[in-house]
Amino acid sequence: AQSVSQHNHHVILSEAASLELGCNYSYGGTVNLFWYVQYPGQHLQLLLKYFSGDPLVKGIKGFEAEFIKSKFSFNLRKPSVQWSDTAEYFCAVTPLGSSNTGKLIFGQGTTLQVKP
Amino acid sequence: ETGVTQSPTHLIKTRGQQVTLRCSSQSGHNTVSWYQQALGQGPQFIFQYYREEENGRGNFPPRFSGLQFPNYSSELNVNALELDDSALYLCASSRSSGNHGDTQYFGPGTRLTVL
Repeated sequence: AQSVSQHNHHVILSEAASLELGCNYSYGGTVNLFWYVQYPGQHLQLLLKYFSGDPLVKGIKGFEAEFIKSKFSFNLRKPSVQWSDTAEYFCAVTPLGSSNTGKLIFGQGTTLQVKP
Repeated sequence: ETGVTQSPTHLIKTRGQQVTLRCSSQSGHNTVSWYQQALGQGPQFIFQYYREEENGRGNFPPRFSGLQFPNYSSELNVNALELDDSALYLCASSRSSGNHGDTQYFGPGTRLTVL
């Protein structure tokens, strides 16, 4: 079955620390990859996406992610977190192909708490 | 550019009742997808509508049904509500057929509580 796994459920960091959130998916074909963020009291927002090309993608607010096809991974990184990065982060995958419909398959989410 | 809007914001129903949730897609978008997000979980795909037809369905029973209108707005209907249907229901819109895996933009959601 197609699935997305986020390894860290709850991460606590101090400001200026570096962040890496793991994401792996199970699907052998071509995928589109996304990271969404949900700030407290707000709706899901797109952080960054990968469709094709350079596997290192940059998103908003200094976030970046690297697609490693051989590892079925799409890890999210930020060199230096801020208190305002406190939020829930979701990795999502869209399997492509005739039998798929563009649905997003989400991971369970990672709650990031940044201490000032 | 107007984003995705959903109504109502909150809803309380009792078991066995029926509910209709509404979604207006972002300007220029013709595809609407619905997701259920239980507490502490990631969103789960319910179904997607493209040009007023269902374009894919997740693992949800037939009592979950939907519609898409000519203006691309959409409704999610749930019959015979169960306690486990309590969740945040999210609507997302995108520009073209979901087969292309286009970026989906989410609304704020409707929080449904079933008592």
